[in-house]
Amino acid sequence: DTEVTQTPKHLVMGMTNKKSLKCEQHMGHRAMYWYKQKAKKPPELMFVYSYEKLSINESVPSRFSPECPNSSLLNLHLHALQPEDSALYLCASSQVGGGSTDTQYFGPGTRLTVL
Amino acid sequence: GQQLNQSPQSMFIQEGEDVSMNCTSSSIFNTWLWYKQDPGEGPVLLIALYKAGELTSNGRLTAQFGITRKDSFLNISASIPSDVGIYFCAGPTDKLIFGTGTRLQVFP
Repeated sequence: DTEVTQTPKHLVMGMTNKKSLKCEQHMGHRAMYWYKQKAKKPPELMFVYSYEKLSINESVPSRFSPECPNSSLLNLHLHALQPEDSALYLCASSQVGGGSTDTQYFGPGTRLTVL
Repeated sequence: GQQLNQSPQSMFIQEGEDVSMNCTSSSIFNTWLWYKQDPGEGPVLLIALYKAGELTSNGRLTAQFGITRKDSFLNISASIPSDVGIYFCAGPTDKLIFGTGTRLQVFP
């Protein structure tokens, strides 16, 4: 099973709302990732969790707040977003994170629209 | 920083034709990954290559890990309409480095 699940599939929120994106994997992977993807561009890395600890934050604004409750779950809390934050948000997981042979598996994404 | 150059940028082909695309880097990679992404969906891993010179197939898809470790190739034989999408190459380091993508359109 190489499945990563994400909820919700679509999310529309106002600039004053607070919402959360959820991601789950049951492959026993110890690294999980959040990416942001704009149309026709490759995914851009936002955060990496390795063994449930935040290991990389790509200078993401504080209005995005990641959380890793356990090794299977990854959340992204959203607050006071801007319209330019509208994008496809992807979660991924891999066995260990950061290795030169590490293979990442992606979820189906959450399409976020900020009004 | 590291960068993967992918070509061609886009391809418009007729159903049944074969497709070739490639990915090159100025740096060495120990692994090459090929993903396909449909609109509004996440990238799906097609083929993973772990050894220089390796040639791996997945149905109508064949990918090769270049001997120099600085390039990789993906071929699709006898294309069908559902092959439409964006194909990304990627190489893992401390992060996953993505190519710029090849957009494939298949006409019946």
